[in-house]
Amino acid sequence: SQKIEQNSEALNIQEGKTATLTCNYTNYSPAYLQWYRQDPGRGPVFLLLIRENEKEKRKERLKVTFDTTLKQSLFHITASQPADSATYLCALGDKIIFGKGTRLHILP
Amino acid sequence: NAGVTQTPKFQVLKTGQSMTLQCAQDMNHEYMSWYRQDPGMGLRLIHYSVGAGITDQGEVPNGYNVSRSTTEDFPLRLLSAAPSQTSVYFCASSRAGGWPYNEQFFGPGTRLTVL
Repeated sequence: SQKIEQNSEALNIQEGKTATLTCNYTNYSPAYLQWYRQDPGRGPVFLLLIRENEKEKRKERLKVTFDTTLKQSLFHITASQPADSATYLCALGDKIIFGKGTRLHILP
Repeated sequence: NAGVTQTPKFQVLKTGQSMTLQCAQDMNHEYMSWYRQDPGMGLRLIHYSVGAGITDQGEVPNGYNVSRSTTEDFPLRLLSAAPSQTSVYFCASSRAGGWPYNEQFFGPGTRLTVL
């Protein structure tokens, strides 16, 4: 069955540095992959969609890469700020599967 | 636009009771879906709809019913609540074509406790 793995450990990054989050998947070859942000007590908010033929996609301080050979997507936040602290989810699949998310803490 | 709205925000049920979680969107989206989110399990798809009158099952449909009589509304029914259905429930909508081509807009969630 399709499976997604995100680092379940919280990630602590110093303000101003680049945060890099990983999404690995198995038993599937998705044509699309999406990233969402979720704050405590709220619903997820869409950030970026990347297609399999797009190796990289950027939106302001966000960058997503998609390596279909490694079956991996990386999510980068450059010049990180405390307001970037949240849980980040990746999602893919025929009927959508979400990863469990990685909690990101940006330390001032 | 209000976006995706869900009611109630919180609910406590006793085992065996029934209830309906309401979801509405004012963006004229054709695609709507229901998820549950449990600690350590992530978001899991319960049911989804690609348009009025059309519904289908997701990953964890057992114990839940849905119907889609209008574009705007997509209620989720628990016929006989069980403690295993204690969770946070999210409704989402997206434009025609839905997943995975379009972004999903999520509601604020309903926190349900079944005693």
